[in-house]
Order: sequence, then C-alpha cells, then structure tokens
Amino acid sequence: DGGITQSPKYLFRKEGQNVTLSCEQNLNHDAMYWYRQDPGQGLRLIYYSQIVNDFQKGDIAEGYSVSREKKESFPLTVTSAQKNPTAFYLCASSITESGGAPDTQYFGPGTRLTVL
Amino acid sequence: DQQVKQNSPSLSVQEGRISILNCDYTNSMFDYFLWYKKYPAEGPTFLISISSIKDKNEDGRFTVFLNKSAKHLSLHIVPSQPGDSAVYFCAASPWGNMLTFGGGTRLMVKP
Repeated sequence: DGGITQSPKYLFRKEGQNVTLSCEQNLNHDAMYWYRQDPGQGLRLIYYSQIVNDFQKGDIAEGYSVSREKKESFPLTVTSAQKNPTAFYLCASSITESGGAPDTQYFGPGTRLTVL
Repeated sequence: DQQVKQNSPSLSVQEGRISILNCDYTNSMFDYFLWYKKYPAEGPTFLISISSIKDKNEDGRFTVFLNKSAKHLSLHIVPSQPGDSAVYFCAASPWGNMLTFGGGTRLMVKP
C-alpha cells in the first residue's frame, strides 16, 4: 500500500532532550512537509523540502531541524531549544512544487509529542 | 496575523440538513483554496479545492463557493451525515504548494 507513515504515534520526552520524529513515504513524491497542530491554530508549517538534500524553513522553524538524505524520508528533530514542543506533528508529501496549482498534500497519521 | 481564518470553532447540524462551513482570508495573492477533513488523531485528508478562476466547484455532496471580492469561501455539505463529523480546515495558496491553513471548524452531525 502506498502512503505516509509516521512513528511513533505517541512520544514522551523529558525537558531538555532532543527527539526525532520519523516520516517515511512510498508515494514517490518529491516534496515533503512538517506541520505542527495546536488547538485553535490550525496547521503551521515548520519545514519543507522540495528535493533530496534541500529543505527550507517554514513559518515556525525555530527549535527544529530536518534532513532529507533520501527521497522517501524526512525526519524532524525537536531540539531542546524549542520552548513549547508539546503538540501534534503532521508530515505530508506532494508530487512536486510545480509552480502551478498546488498538488494535493497527503498527510501521515501524526505523532503526538508530550514533554514531561 | 492569521491570513486564513475560520471564525466558527464548532458547528452542530442535524443529519440530512445542510452544513455550511466558512473561511475568510486576507492575502489577495491567494489563488487556490482547499478544504481538508480531519478525524481525531489522524492526518487531514483532502476533500475539495477551487481555483480563483471559478466561483463554484462541486463533488458529490460537497460544494465549495468562492467570493473573491469578499475574500470568502464556504463549504456546503448536503445532506449532512453523521460520518461527516470531523474537523474541517480550509487552506489557501498563492499558487505553488505552500499552504496556509485556517484554525479549523469542528462539525458535529447529530443523528
């Protein structure tokens, strides 16, 4: 089955620790995205990547880091510099940033991160 | 400053009636609009979209209306079904793939 997987579904972290969230897709999509969802604030873009070995900051990149070494994978690291990391994190992918109409973004099931 | 706003955090509708979800935006560069549906603890799924060259797009029970002069779009669901109960997000893009999402509206369809 083609799709996007995120693991783990629930993650607990002690304050001051870095943690990495996994995102894998087998849809052969070029572009991948990380969003954060907080109540009443919708989805906010953290980082995105249009192609392997390239990524760009989104609206709220501070305290986060990413890598895109493989087309299928776009892990997100929540660092200790992120002041309010408890949230629901969503990964998405789309075919490409074509410069035309947006291609549909397909979302993973999400990871709920709780900082203790 | 939120560029895409969904001013109603929740909406309750009787089964079989029409659900109308509203979305306002401020950025006049937005040219493409989408609606996503999200169940708890799951990722959003794409529902329907509309480009600025249209004022209406229909797909089965779902219709999206766009009023560019008012910078307003709405999603109509007719007839509403209990399975439609979810959070609905509108999103907008100035062309390309970068989306700005609204805060979401929780729809509850009562049997």
